[in-house]
Amino acid sequence: SAVISQKPSRDICQRGTSLTIQCQVDSQVTMMFWYRQQPGQSLTLIATANQGSEATYESGFVIDKFPISRPNLTFSTLTVSNMSPEDSSIYLCSVIRDLSYEQYFGPGTRLTVT
Amino acid sequence: QKEVEQDPGPLSVPEGAIVSLNCTYSNSAFQYFMWYRQYSRKGPELLMYTYSSGNKEDGRFTAQVDKSSKYISLFIRDSQPSDSATYLCAIQGGGTSYGKLTFGQGTILTVHP
Repeated sequence: SAVISQKPSRDICQRGTSLTIQCQVDSQVTMMFWYRQQPGQSLTLIATANQGSEATYESGFVIDKFPISRPNLTFSTLTVSNMSPEDSSIYLCSVIRDLSYEQYFGPGTRLTVT
Repeated sequence: QKEVEQDPGPLSVPEGAIVSLNCTYSNSAFQYFMWYRQYSRKGPELLMYTYSSGNKEDGRFTAQVDKSSKYISLFIRDSQPSDSATYLCAIQGGGTSYGKLTFGQGTILTVHP
């Protein structure tokens, strides 16, 4: 498995502001992803965080709204920009180590936008 | 039609019961099948994963895949109150879809003493 931490664990933000969420893994991993879990809903993939290059976004998600960085093999950030109440969700990072299919999730960041 | 369908429940069973959780999927390109457990206010925890039709057992948990019917199941034997959580099926394809999980809606399970 992998030990994954996220900061902050939760935050309450005002409409129109931005929040950057950090994901740190205890050792190098092959792939990192960001998911969103809206209230009462399941998880939806936002993007694949690519090391040293631009993230790959899923349909419905754009870089201007969710800029992602991955400067090395153990760390990534997701920014939620120009927030609205509809962005209130849990944001989770996940990782795959080596080339397996086992994907592990961080504890999540619970975001509330007022 | 959603790519992955899962009965959201809720499901309530007595301690010691056998629990059956199920998902169906529509895309035959899906190749890898996972089950996650998510406790309240926690991230999903990987329980089991498999890629072939048939059964895979791990302790009290058995994952079953039927690719011909596009149907996957998770069985929990001798269920315990500590098994109370939301169970999520997750499926991914190969190739360019490597790592991209599509989740079911999750089934809320309560095991009461």
